[in-house]
Amino acid sequence: GAGVSQSPSNKVTEKGKDVELRCDPISGHTALYWYRQSLGQGLEFLIYFQGNSAPDKSGLPSDRFSAERTGGSVSTLTIQRTQQEDSAVYLCASSLEGPTNEQFFGPGTRLTVL
Amino acid sequence: SQQGEEDPQALSIQEGENATMNCSYKTSINNLQWYRQNSGRGLVHLILIRSNEREKHSGRLRVTLDTSKKSSSLLITASRAADTASYFCATDGGSNYQLIWGAGTKLIIKP
Repeated sequence: GAGVSQSPSNKVTEKGKDVELRCDPISGHTALYWYRQSLGQGLEFLIYFQGNSAPDKSGLPSDRFSAERTGGSVSTLTIQRTQQEDSAVYLCASSLEGPTNEQFFGPGTRLTVL
Repeated sequence: SQQGEEDPQALSIQEGENATMNCSYKTSINNLQWYRQNSGRGLVHLILIRSNEREKHSGRLRVTLDTSKKSSSLLITASRAADTASYFCATDGGSNYQLIWGAGTKLIIKP
């Protein structure tokens, strides 16, 4: 597709379950970012992938969070043993060669942990 | 903590008026970006201004940057109902790495 896509658009899960969120960036974009946005708040950086370099995981809030990017394209954000405070919109963005370039955002995945 | 802080937190104006939003940040930067978020189109990049620039225009948007005061402003002229959205500033914190975001200004344009 022409833009960044994310799936699912909505996810409701029970506390303690694992969830996987998927991001398909714009073709040719080497940089991929995951953010979390709580209601009425700004974006909280989670993780950054740039090409084949080791990802910057400094924003991940706990070791329950992990992310992979396979083949330099699709990325999966995994949250293990979900907690209610994990409820938020998870946004993925991609850009050309790093964060000083315009970031293109996906529509987000709204995660609700009951 | 947030690098960027927008003010006001919320702004409500009549259609046709100008809207001004401000952003302050804490560390040196390479660039500052403004984004818009609404329910229809999600988060969309509006404009990027580099640290050696003082003013930039794009259509009805005018962005200024004062690095001595670590602040930026976004002016939307002749506002329209479609401008109703939340507006965020984001800085690179000088690291040329991750963007750091403010909490946003919620703008409402009244018809």
